[in-house]
Formats: sequence, structure tokens, C-alpha cells
Amino acid sequence: EVHLAESGGGLVQPGGSLRLSCAASGFTFSRYWVHWVRQAPGKGLVWVSRIDSDESNTRYADSVKGRFTISRDNDKDTVYLQMNSLRADDTAVYYCAREGDSDQLDHWGQGTLVTVSS
Amino acid sequence: SYELTQSPSVSVSPGQTVSITCSGDDLGDKFVSWYQKRPGQSPILVIYQDNKRPSGIPERFSGSNSGNTATLTISGTQTMDEADYYCQAWDRSTGVFGAGTKVTVL
Repeated sequence: EVHLAESGGGLVQPGGSLRLSCAASGFTFSRYWVHWVRQAPGKGLVWVSRIDSDESNTRYADSVKGRFTISRDNDKDTVYLQMNSLRADDTAVYYCAREGDSDQLDHWGQGTLVTVSS
Repeated sequence: SYELTQSPSVSVSPGQTVSITCSGDDLGDKFVSWYQKRPGQSPILVIYQDNKRPSGIPERFSGSNSGNTATLTISGTQTMDEADYYCQAWDRSTGVFGAGTKVTVL
């Protein structure tokens, strides 16, 4: 069974950093692209970033470009999201999701809450 | 940047049919996915490549996409279908979500 589990969320002050992890199991992790999507309290889903299977290609939403970095370790079946210069509007539940063979986000983790506040 | 527009909310009686639209420039030239999101739960893929259903998704969920509008239709709506629904497409390798449509079953 495909399983994705996020961790690393928490409370951080504005300007601080946090690294999220997304641990995968139940499938051949190295074959799949992985995305991060977030949802701020009371708001909708927002795409954040994605990384391809061998880390050769990454993309970011304009709102996080230059502050967030996505990476992966295929030996550990894990994707990371390094978040720097955090702002209050980065407060959200962050989900990782697997991109299936037809460009769909077919499996999602349970999410991890990031709160940016002083 | 590319935008997808959805109506904020819609209501439907149990057993009836409800359609949710998503509009964007030349959206019919892109593949659209739809996600169901209940409060406190992770999103669930209900339609991909405009009209395909993942395994485990009931047949009452269907989709279409043409011109500037994609549509998610729920036939014979059940109370368990009450949720927010988001359309999503790819634009220049970046993801775009609509703002979501809240479906209320009453």
C-alpha cells in the first residue's frame, strides 16, 4: 500500500527556518515525482513545489521561490522541503503528494502543520 | 500567471445531480484533475485527465473538459460527498489549483 508521511512541522518565528520531511513506502519511490501542496487555515489548496525522480528538475511557486528548496534522498525514500525566511503567510498544513503516471497527484500524506508566529 | 476560477459554493439535495465548473484560458488544451477535500482530512483524487476515475472512486463522479471550462459532475449525490472540491491543472510545469467549491448536501 502506498503511504506518505510528513513530519517536521511546528511553531517557528518569522524569519526562521524549518525542514519538512516526506517519508514514502509501498512503492518504488525513485520512479516518481513528488510535490508539496499547502493549505492555510480557512483557505484553499496551493501548489508549492515539485521534484522529479532523479532530482534533476525542480519547480517552485513564485511565492516561495528563493526561500524554499526541495530535495530528495532516493536511498531513504524521502523528500525534503527546506523552508527559510519564513513569513506569517507561510502558516499552513503542508502535504506531500506523489505524482502518478498520468500527471495526477494520486496519493497524499496526512499533512504537517507549520505555524509562523512570534 | 495562470488562474483557475471556481464558484465558491453550491448546494444539492441527496440523490440529485450537481455540477461544479472550473474555468481558465484554453483550459480544454490542458488535462484537469479534481480533488475532494474534507475538513481535517487529506485531499483525495476523484478525477484525472479530465474524465478518468481512480480505482475506488464511485461511478457517480464524472468529469469533462472543453474550451475554457472543465466540469465535475456528481450524480445521485450522497451526504458523504459534502466537501470542498478543487480543480487542478499544470501550466509550464507548475501546479495551479482553483480556489475550491464547497458542496453542501442538504
